[in-house]
Amino acid sequence: NAGVMQNPRHLVRRRGQEARLRCSPMKGHSHVYWYRQLPEEGLKFMVYLQKENIIDESGMPKERFSAEFPKEGPSILRIQQVVRGDSAAYFCASSGQAVSYEQYFGPGTRLTVT
Amino acid sequence: QKEVEQDPGPLSVPEGAIVSLNCTYSNSAFQYFMWYRQYSRKGPELLMYTYSSGNKEDGRFTAQVDKSSKYISLFIRDSQPSDSATYLCAMSYLQGAQKLVFGQGTRLTINP
Repeated sequence: NAGVMQNPRHLVRRRGQEARLRCSPMKGHSHVYWYRQLPEEGLKFMVYLQKENIIDESGMPKERFSAEFPKEGPSILRIQQVVRGDSAAYFCASSGQAVSYEQYFGPGTRLTVT
Repeated sequence: QKEVEQDPGPLSVPEGAIVSLNCTYSNSAFQYFMWYRQYSRKGPELLMYTYSSGNKEDGRFTAQVDKSSKYISLFIRDSQPSDSATYLCAMSYLQGAQKLVFGQGTRLTINP
């Protein structure tokens, strides 16, 4: 399967714990985007990364959220000290070109904070 | 006011009908326009994309962009039950195309 892969597909965390979401882009893609989808809302852009670089993090909450895309391995979206309002579906997308509107999405990670 | 407005529906039509899905937007700086299909509990799937104004056809799907009215449409001909999904419009700027701005999505059901 050469598509975008995300894991875990479902993640349950208690308030105050850390959530770590992983994304492997499509084969040949080196640009990764993270979006959040709250219930009954559209997807909201969070961050755009290239290998070892954060290019645009204008949609990231200022506190508790961070993202990385190391030289080796998947991209990681990390949420520290989760709160109930963090419960959402988090989608990763990838593209083969820089700064691209042509983005291909993974199946998402559904985070539930109890 | 949201940057992109999309009627959430739900929209229910009989099999074989022509479906029209629409979005309006407020920012004239949008240059790229996309339609995604999202099945329940799945990730969005890119259906079509267009640059600036005009029409684009792909099989049973036609995308239209009217920049003067800030209005985009997706038409589905000969609709099938397998077309039942949520359809999301998305847009991006010429500068900063990485940041897709999505509509809320329209939930569509095609009844056999």
